Amino acid sequence: EPEVTQTPSHQVTQMGQEVILRCVPISNHLYFYWYRQILGQKVEFLVSFYNNEISEKSEIFDDQFSVERPDGSNFTLKIRSTKLEDSAMYFCASKRADLNYGYTFGSGTRLTVV
Amino acid sequence: KQEVTQIPAALSVPEGENLVLNCSFTDSAIYNLQWFRQDPGKGLTSLLLIQSSQREQTSGRLNASLDKSSGRSTLYIAASQPGDSATYLCAVASTGANSKLTFGKGITLSVRP
Repeated sequence: EPEVTQTPSHQVTQMGQEVILRCVPISNHLYFYWYRQILGQKVEFLVSFYNNEISEKSEIFDDQFSVERPDGSNFTLKIRSTKLEDSAMYFCASKRADLNYGYTFGSGTRLTVV
Repeated sequence: KQEVTQIPAALSVPEGENLVLNCSFTDSAIYNLQWFRQDPGKGLTSLLLIQSSQREQTSGRLNASLDKSSGRSTLYIAASQPGDSATYLCAVASTGANSKLTFGKGITLSVRP
């Protein structure tokens, strides 16, 4: 069964550093998403991406965040200057346009900001 | 703003018991609802997707129902097994079939051998 692949599985970074989280969505999917889950809290929406542009973003997704689909297969989330409160599990998801199919999530990247 | 609630936060049952996990949402104008399973420290595995026009979906020992008018969904697990121990998340898509998902906090299920 096709999978959404995320790398790395765990990243530790110093506060103020830039990080790039990488995702390879399922190849025939058209919609791409980033979510995050702070330990013990709900999974929260960050941003959705379709047709090479952001289609929706949450209030969490401020100027420190950006997304890119540089080469037609990778989908990246960049955090420019990490804060302690950015520590969370970040999930990438993708979806077909077909209404009968749901979202497929990756296994996540655990980001720890120290 | 859509809010999704799952109560209780945790549930412990003996193996073999049939159980029901509840999910409620505040805005009944949803496009679909999806149930996920999350093992500790892991990603989200899709279990069932119910479209707004459907009343229920089944996969193996799992059955999910949807009552849009009352803002409720249930996930029924038959003949529970220790391997079913995980957190079960309910999520709704409100503004379109491909729109963002709003998640509940999940129900952590423990099935005792």
